[in-house]
Amino acid sequence: SQTIHQWPATLVQPVGSPLSLECTVEGTSNPNLYWYRQAAGRGLQLLFYSVGIGQISSEVPQNLSASRPQDRQFILSSKKLLLSDSGFYLCAWSFPDSNVLTFGAGSRLTVL
Amino acid sequence: QKEVEQNSGPLSVPEGAIASLNCTYSDRGSQSFFWYRQYSGKSPELIMFIYSNGDKEDGRFTAQLNKASQYVSLLIRDSQPSDSATYLCAVNVNNFNKFYFGSGTKLNVKP
Repeated sequence: SQTIHQWPATLVQPVGSPLSLECTVEGTSNPNLYWYRQAAGRGLQLLFYSVGIGQISSEVPQNLSASRPQDRQFILSSKKLLLSDSGFYLCAWSFPDSNVLTFGAGSRLTVL
Repeated sequence: QKEVEQNSGPLSVPEGAIASLNCTYSDRGSQSFFWYRQYSGKSPELIMFIYSNGDKEDGRFTAQLNKASQYVSLLIRDSQPSDSATYLCAVNVNNFNKFYFGSGTKLNVKP
């Protein structure tokens, strides 16, 4: 069976500091990978998605970036965090030919 | 971002009643429609999906799709307090590898 891991689960960062959130999927190959952000009381905003190693599509231009250095690893980064970056970050995966998304447990980021 | 609209609620129903959750979408290219449940502080989990016009039933849940009206709904029969959560509607446009979510409807089921 497939599992998705996200870490860290919670972090508090000062404005202007860097960010790195990591996501890995086990039990499958060549998954589609996604990063979503959910601001407090809001819906899910699609940030990035990837259909393969090194293939990243960005939905929203901002100070975040994503990378996929390995088939089942997806990383979300920022060089300098803004207050508005606070939120619940969710990694998700799907089979390449599937429309079903499965989410990780999420990473809750607070920028102070 | 493609627009997916939901009433934020909260929607309050008594235990045992039918809860009706609604969602509209703007892109006529939308082909797949999903309902996710999200408990407070947790990640969303898939309840069901629907591709074709009409109804799809799965246990106490029924999804209804009307592509002409760009409308999708979720009915929860015999609502239980454990159904209290936020329900997110999502669409997949033209089967591209992108899924767009609404802001969710909060459901409260009162014992």
